[in-house]
Parts: sequence; structure tokens; C-alpha cells
Amino acid sequence: EVHLVESGGGLVQPGRSLRLSCVASGFTFDDYVMHWVRQAPGKGLEWVSGIRWNSGSIAYADSVKGRFTISRDNARNSLYLQMNSLRGEDTALYYCAKDRLRRSGSFLEMDVWGQGTTVTVSS
Amino acid sequence: DIQMTQSPSSLSASVGDRVTITCRASQSISSYLSWYQQKSGKAPKLLIYDASSLQSGVPSRFSGSGSGTDFTLTISSLQPEDFATYYCQQSYSTPLTFGGGTKVEIK
Repeated sequence: EVHLVESGGGLVQPGRSLRLSCVASGFTFDDYVMHWVRQAPGKGLEWVSGIRWNSGSIAYADSVKGRFTISRDNARNSLYLQMNSLRGEDTALYYCAKDRLRRSGSFLEMDVWGQGTTVTVSS
Repeated sequence: DIQMTQSPSSLSASVGDRVTITCRASQSISSYLSWYQQKSGKAPKLLIYDASSLQSGVPSRFSGSGSGTDFTLTISSLQPEDFATYYCQQSYSTPLTFGGGTKVEIK
């Protein structure tokens, strides 16, 4: 069965850093683009970042560009999100999600999602 | 960035009703449009991709249509388990963007 499990969330002060992790199982991790998507409390979905299966292409939302860094370790079946200079508006549930299409050259739609890890930015 | 606008933002419907949700892109996105269902406290679930392709395991009462800038998600006969929030998402270009959501409530 395909699974994504996020971790690393928590309460952090504005301006500080946090690193999220996502461990994948049940599929060939290094065949797929992976994404981070977040959802602020009571709000809609916001795509944060995506990374191609070979890390050859990376993209970010404008709201996090320059502050967040996505990476992956295919040997560990793991996806990461390094979040620096955190702000109150980064408070959200962060989901790790798998792209639908194998070996896609593009960032497409997400067919498998984790349950999310909560990040709260507050003093 | 491509803006995605959904309408309505919420609707009330009864079991058995035909429900239609609209999504409009700020520029042409061909058929790079997907739909998700999210129930309270749960992760989103992919329903439709490429504007009209049904994701494996999704009931056939769900269908999608459209291309260019205007898209529609239709639920042909609303079931109790369909009460949820629905989102559209474009994958024509990065940053990927979602619509604001449509909450489908019980009438």
C-alpha cells in the first residue's frame, strides 16, 4: 500500500527555521515528482513546492521563494522541506504529496497525500 | 501566476441532486486541470485529471469537462458521502495553483 508520512512540524517563533520530512513507502519513490502543499487553518489549499524525480527541476510558490528549500533523498525514500525565516502566515498543515504520473517531466496533479504535519509560527 | 476562480464558494443540495461546480482560469490552461475532494479533517483526494479523466477508484457519478479557461465538475446524483469541499487545480505552469474551493453542504 502506498503511504506518505510527514513529520517535523511544531511551534516555532517568527524568524526561526524548521525542517519537515516525508517518508514514502509502497511505490518506487525515485520515479515520481513530489510536492509540498499547505493549508492554513480554515483556508484552502496552497501548493508550496515541487521537485522532479531526479531533483533536476524544482519550483516554488512565490510566497516561499527564497525562504524554503525542497530536497529529496531517493536512497532513503524521503522528501524534505527546509523552512527558514518563518512568518505567521506560514502557519498551516503541510502535506507531502506524490505526483500522479511516473517519470513526468512536469509538475502535474497529486494522487497520493500524507496526513500532514502542523506548523505553527507564533511568539 | 495563473489564478483559478471557483464558483459558487458554497452550495446546499439534497441527496440525489445533480451538482455542478465551475472553475475558471485567468488564462488558457488547455486541459491541465484536476479536481479534488476534501472531507473535514482529511487529506484531499484526486477525483479528475486532464479535465475529464476519472481517477482510478472514483465513482462514475463524478465527471469533468472543459478546456481552455472554463471547466466544470459534475456530480450526477449526489450521495451522502459526497458532502465535502471541492478544489480545482491547474498544472499548466508553475507555480501550481488551486481554486478557492466549493463547499457542498446538505440541504
